[in-house]
Amino acid sequence: DQQVKQNSPSLSVQEGRISILNCDYTNSMFDYFLWYKKYPAEGPTFLISISSIKDKNEDGRFTVFLNKSAKHLSLHIVPSQPGDSAVYFCAASSSGNTPLVFGKGTRLSVIA
Amino acid sequence: GAGVSQSPSNKVTEKGKDVELRCDPISGHTALYWYRQSLGQGLEFLIYFQGNSAPDKSGLPSDRFSAERTGGSVSTLTIQRTQQEDSAVYLCASRHKRGGGLTNDFKETQYFGPGTRLLVL
Repeated sequence: DQQVKQNSPSLSVQEGRISILNCDYTNSMFDYFLWYKKYPAEGPTFLISISSIKDKNEDGRFTVFLNKSAKHLSLHIVPSQPGDSAVYFCAASSSGNTPLVFGKGTRLSVIA
Repeated sequence: GAGVSQSPSNKVTEKGKDVELRCDPISGHTALYWYRQSLGQGLEFLIYFQGNSAPDKSGLPSDRFSAERTGGSVSTLTIQRTQQEDSAVYLCASRHKRGGGLTNDFKETQYFGPGTRLLVL
């Protein structure tokens, strides 16, 4: 059973508009959430994270929102740029030295 | 270098052969993780090291898979008698030591290498 789900395999957005990538989780023990971006033939690159004590974290064009009651988080990219085109992975972990649990990713295409 | 490095970047092997994949973590990172990504799938956890010990091997798919870490640094993932279903991208990640007055964000984030693309024919 998938503990982290990204239900949209792909998303297409026009340059300059907002991209919203969604992620749902089932394990209530998760207390730390991350977004990674992956270009072809490269490893995942850390983008932004949020701990469960917060409901929002912002870094430049990227904002992550966490709704613990709904077990849902989202990544907002605004304004979207063509260079943002990549696969975005949502990941979660619980306290302690635990591995990350990843979703299957959402492929974002930003069209100029 | 400053980041996680992995070698080889690509490996093509014949079914039944053994392969060895290497990971050099970021200097000073005590935790090291191996994941793999099969075609069209998310990242699947394989094994985790804290220092040289592996407290969590729960993700290793079979006893053909093993890993070791020496000197608290370099790690090697070995796949014996490779099968076609072993074809995947094998990714290594490292994480900073917990504590030391660092922010939670800095302590928890795993940083990935570029991966080794393994193809078993």
